[in-house]
Amino acid sequence: SQTIHQWPATLVQPVGSPLSLECTVEGTSNPNLYWYRQAAGRGLQLLFYSVGIGQISSEVPQNLSASRPQDRQFILSSKKLLLSDSGFYLCAWSVLLAGGEQFFGPGTRLTVL
Amino acid sequence: AQKVTQAQTEISVVEKEDVTLDCVYETRDTTYYLFWYKQPPSGELVFLIRRNSFDEQNEISGRYSWNFQKSTSSFNFTITASQVVDSAVYFCALTNENQGAQKLVFGQGTRLTINP
Repeated sequence: SQTIHQWPATLVQPVGSPLSLECTVEGTSNPNLYWYRQAAGRGLQLLFYSVGIGQISSEVPQNLSASRPQDRQFILSSKKLLLSDSGFYLCAWSVLLAGGEQFFGPGTRLTVL
Repeated sequence: AQKVTQAQTEISVVEKEDVTLDCVYETRDTTYYLFWYKQPPSGELVFLIRRNSFDEQNEISGRYSWNFQKSTSSFNFTITASQVVDSAVYFCALTNENQGAQKLVFGQGTRLTINP
């Protein structure tokens, strides 16, 4: 069966510090991968998605970047965190299928102070 | 542009009551997919159901049922005989037909509280 991992689970970082969140998927090959952010208002916003190694699409201009160095690894980064980067970050995967459902990881709660 | 509206921000009921969560969507696509996810206090989103635009049959899974009506652009979710474990935030989501990545558009969510 497929599983998706995210770490760390929680993170407290000062403004201006770098960020690296990691997501890995097991039990599937060539998944589509996604990064979402959920702010305090509960809505989920798609940040990045990837259909293959090295292929990254950004949905919202922002202070963050993403990379996919391996087939089942997706990394969210920032060189300098802002207060507004605080939130709950969720990674998800889906198969290459029209309208296929996405399966989410446990999330990382980031607080920028 | 696609849009999902969950007008009910919060719902609170007593255990064993039936409760319906509303979802209204907007899309210009003729082929699209609708989803419901559950987010318990732990934070992880749990997939509940996927429905494509050509399948208007209602779905029942145990105490859960879904009513898809294209005429009113709605995809409502009913929990029968609610239980405390049903307490969570529920999200409705929409995506169009796309052989590449499926970009989900989420509603704002409905926080459901089931009181004992």
